[in-house]
Amino acid sequence: ELKVEQNPLFLSMQEGKNYTIYCNYSTTSDRLYWYRQDPGKSLESLFVLLSNGAVKQEGRLMASLDTKARLSTLHITAAVHDLSATYFCAVDSNDMRFGAGTRLTVKP
Amino acid sequence: GAGVSQSPSNKVTEKGKDVELRCDPISGHTALYWYRQRLGQGLEFLIYFQGNSAPDKSGLPSDRFSAERTGESVSTLTIQRTQQEDSAVYLCASSHPLGLAGVQDTQYFGPGTRLTVL
Repeated sequence: ELKVEQNPLFLSMQEGKNYTIYCNYSTTSDRLYWYRQDPGKSLESLFVLLSNGAVKQEGRLMASLDTKARLSTLHITAAVHDLSATYFCAVDSNDMRFGAGTRLTVKP
Repeated sequence: GAGVSQSPSNKVTEKGKDVELRCDPISGHTALYWYRQRLGQGLEFLIYFQGNSAPDKSGLPSDRFSAERTGESVSTLTIQRTQQEDSAVYLCASSHPLGLAGVQDTQYFGPGTRLTVL
């Protein structure tokens, strides 16, 4: 059974700092997705990663995929308060499974 | 164009009653997913429809849960004899294939149905 683990589950950081969220998964896959969820809202797509070594960037967020290590990272550069949200990774390996989410709080 | 819509947005029911939740996917999206999200938790996969293939029901937590989809359009999730532990937000998402074998584009999520079982 596919298992997806994110860490950390909770992250509090100051504005202007950098940090990385990790997403590990248990079976072979080259299809990984990142989503953002604001409190009380639904999920919004951030990135789609479909090959080993894929890297995508949007603003202060950059996502990468290493299929050999079964690892994706979501890197936050110079965080701002507006990035406060819960971030989910999801892996498609015939089954679609989500990580538990990383609740990010960016403090001034 | 319109996104994924779900109805009702909120549903309060008494324990033991049946409820039916509806999802209208984006037109042309062949894949449709149902998830459950308990308060402060991640997404729990329930069921997946892909075109005319048999649905993947592996995530349904009990036989009280069932779902149907008409072709590549509307889906309904039915919960029979609701229990308090069924209280959650039920999210529906749809996606379309990318043209690569078996690869789906990102999922587009509906706003969810918040179910409260008293």
